[in-house]
Amino acid sequence: SYVLTQPPSVSVAPGKTARITCGGNNIGSKSVHWYQQRPGQAPVLVIYYDSDRPSGIPERFSGSHSGNTATLTISTVEAGDEADYSCQVWDSSSDHWVFGGGTKLTVL
Amino acid sequence: EVQLLESGGGLVQPGGSLRLSCAASGFTFSGYAMSWVRQAPGKGLEWVSEITYSAGRTYYADSVKGRFTISRDNSKNTLYLQMNSLRAEDTAVYYCAKDSYGYPDHFDYWGPGTLVTVSS
Repeated sequence: SYVLTQPPSVSVAPGKTARITCGGNNIGSKSVHWYQQRPGQAPVLVIYYDSDRPSGIPERFSGSHSGNTATLTISTVEAGDEADYSCQVWDSSSDHWVFGGGTKLTVL
Repeated sequence: EVQLLESGGGLVQPGGSLRLSCAASGFTFSGYAMSWVRQAPGKGLEWVSEITYSAGRTYYADSVKGRFTISRDNSKNTLYLQMNSLRAEDTAVYYCAKDSYGYPDHFDYWGPGTLVTVSS
């Protein structure tokens, strides 16, 4: 089965840039979606189709992918960005959705 | 405004059954695929099941296949998840999510979730 690997945690100082990676075999050939989940809340879509932003999501959030890694980049990080971030892809070989294990972003 | 509201969670004994519902409003329910995603305490998101817009196709995670059944009533704008033979490892918050298309695609809206606890 397809596996997505994320680092458990990433820390960044306010105003700096955070990069959260999502590794998977040839993930560059798949569409990657990213979700933000604040404590006690439901997930919110922040990036879809690798790099598109839903309305209402700040331009500070961007996505990219190539080869075996997808990356969610949050520029000029704010305290309110502190949350868990999860990547997602559709595995067409098994007809399953796959989520990464999630990365906890801590704003120092 | 899109709204999704899950109900039906609660405490159930191992081996028992539970049916979750998700009431949808604010969009043309019959035009979109819908999914269930769960999150065990302190763990990450786990996809459970998906159903296409017309219920023509259903998909299940290996961990629930044969025990859970997803269905929908487009006349009532409601999504369901029938959960049988429940195990302790099924304990989680269960979210319903709206796909952005009639077939599997990213989830653009999520409900607040309902807690299912499987314990004796």
